[in-house]
Amino acid sequence: GAGVSQSPRYKVAKRGQDVALRCDPISGHVSLFWYQQALGQGPEFLTYFQNEAQLDKSGLPSDRFFAERPEGSVSTLKIQRTQQEDSAVYLCASSLRPGRNQPQHFGDGTRLSIL
Amino acid sequence: GNSVTQMEGPVTLSEEAFLTINCTYTATGYPSLFWYVQYPGEGLQLLLKATKADDKGSNKGFEATYRKETTSFHLEKGSVQVSDSAVYFCALTGGTSYGKLTFGQGTILTVHP
Repeated sequence: GAGVSQSPRYKVAKRGQDVALRCDPISGHVSLFWYQQALGQGPEFLTYFQNEAQLDKSGLPSDRFFAERPEGSVSTLKIQRTQQEDSAVYLCASSLRPGRNQPQHFGDGTRLSIL
Repeated sequence: GNSVTQMEGPVTLSEEAFLTINCTYTATGYPSLFWYVQYPGEGLQLLLKATKADDKGSNKGFEATYRKETTSFHLEKGSVQVSDSAVYFCALTGGTSYGKLTFGQGTILTVHP
């Protein structure tokens, strides 16, 4: 497809379960970002990949959060032992190359609800 | 650290009214500034951007000017339409070379016929 694709669109899990969220960026895009958006708030940065290298994970809230992009394209965000405060929309964005002026293209997000 | 503050919402206007959504920022160095929009049921889309002081970004009748002296990037439109109803986010990149975005909390705009 032409845009950033995220799956699943909705995920419901019980507290304590592990979840995996997938992001397919635009083909050829070097930069990939994950953001977390709580209800009624703006997105907050989680982590950044340049190709397969995770260059910044300063926004990951705890060691329960793990992200990878092993081949420099598809990325997965994994949350272990989920807790209720993990409920949020998780957004993936990609840009053609690194740079502070580069527009980021966002997916529709995965809405995660922890019961 | 970097931060973005948007005016409190929600904002409700009649069609053809003038729109201003205020945005101020705190950042080290020289950030680039953005407005993103989220239409109902859709993902975030870039609306406009400005990369240096006094630049004006514009798109779809919306404008915003990068004001370094007041650290502001207010969004304006002369005549809003019902189809402009959405959530608007002010954002900046700065402090990293790769473009990590810092967002404001968003402003909900509703335009009535």
